[in-house]
This record gives sequence, C-alpha cells and structure tokens, in this order.
Amino acid sequence: EVQLVESGGGLVQPGGSLRLSCAASGFTFSTYAMSWVRQAPGKGLECVSTISASGDSTYYTDSVKGRFTISRDSSKNTLYLQMKSLRADDTAIYYCAKDGSPAAANPISWFDPWGQGTLVTVSS
Amino acid sequence: QSVLTQPPSVSAAPGQKVTISCSASSSNIGNYYVSWYQQLPGTAPKLLIYDYSKRPSGIPDRFSGSKSGTSATLGITGLQTGDEADYYCGTWDSRQSTYVFGTGTKVTVL
Repeated sequence: EVQLVESGGGLVQPGGSLRLSCAASGFTFSTYAMSWVRQAPGKGLECVSTISASGDSTYYTDSVKGRFTISRDSSKNTLYLQMKSLRADDTAIYYCAKDGSPAAANPISWFDPWGQGTLVTVSS
Repeated sequence: QSVLTQPPSVSAAPGQKVTISCSASSSNIGNYYVSWYQQLPGTAPKLLIYDYSKRPSGIPDRFSGSKSGTSATLGITGLQTGDEADYYCGTWDSRQSTYVFGTGTKVTVL
C-alpha cells in the first residue's frame, strides 16, 4: 500500500523557518515526481512546489520563490520542504502528494495519493 | 490566483445528476490532461478522475469526466449524501510552470 506521512508542522513566528518531511512507502520513490500542495483555512488547493523523480528539476509557485526549497532523499524515501521567511499567509495544511504516472512527459500528470497533511501556523 | 474556473456550488436531490465545469486556457487544459479530486470534509483530497475521463480502481462509475476544447466536466450520477464534498479540477500549466487547481465546487445533496 502506498503511504505518504507528513511531519514537521507547527506554530512559528513570522520570519521564522520550518522544515516539513514526507515519508514515503509502498512504491519506488525514485521513479515518481513529488509535490507539496497547501490549503489555507477555508480556501482552495495550491501547488506550492514540485520536484522531478531524479531531483534535477524543481518548480515553485511565485509566492514562495526564494523562500521555500523542495528536496528529496531517495536513500531515505523522504521528501522535504524547507520554508524560510514565513509569513501569515503561509498558514495552511501542507499535503505531500505523489505524481500518478512514473517518468511522465509532464512534470506532474495527476496526484495520487495524498498524505494526511501537516498544519503550519504562522503567527506571533 | 487560480486560472481554472469552477462554479462555487451545485446541488441536487438524492439520485439526481450534477455536472461541474472547469474552464481554462490553452496553456493548460488545451494541452495537458485534466484530473478531478474529491475532498470530503476534514480529509485530504482524493483522486477521482485522471486523463480527463479515466477512473482509478475503486472509484464507482457514477463519476465520469469529459473534455471539450479548453473546458472539462465532471459528472456525478445517482447522487448520494456521501458525495457531499468539495471537488477540484487540476492540470499542469506550462505558462506558470506549476500544477494548477480549479477554484473548487461544493456539492450539496438536498
């Protein structure tokens, strides 16, 4: 069974840093692109960042460029999101999601499955 | 910021049918596959439809997807109370170089 388990969320002050982790199991981690998708309270879904299967290519939504860094460690089957200079509008549930198609022509084909999410709250 | 437009809400009685539209531009739906996700209250999203019309294992055939030009549509027939959820379309957007989601549609069973 494919499983994605996020951790690392919590309360952080504006301007602070946090690192999220996503432990993957049940599939060949190095074969699939991965993403972080967030959902602010009462809002819709936003793909924050994507990393290719090899880790060579990364993509970010404009609002987090220069502040967030996505990375992966295939030896640990783990996806990371390093977040710096956090702002109140970064407050959200952060989901880890796996690309549905291995080595696809597009960076992401679809997301399946999703983790249960980890809550990040940026507040003083 | 979403470039995929969905109606905010749709509703119907149990057993009836609803359709949810997802309208976009040529930089995404026109060139990339569309997927649909169901988010039940308090839970993580779940894949419903991929490649416009394919259903993952375990998804009942009451759920269907289609595409026409730069729009995609999700259909739900035989509506059940358990279908009450938020539904999102999604696809890769080459202009923004990111995966984009629709604005989301809340389905209510009357």
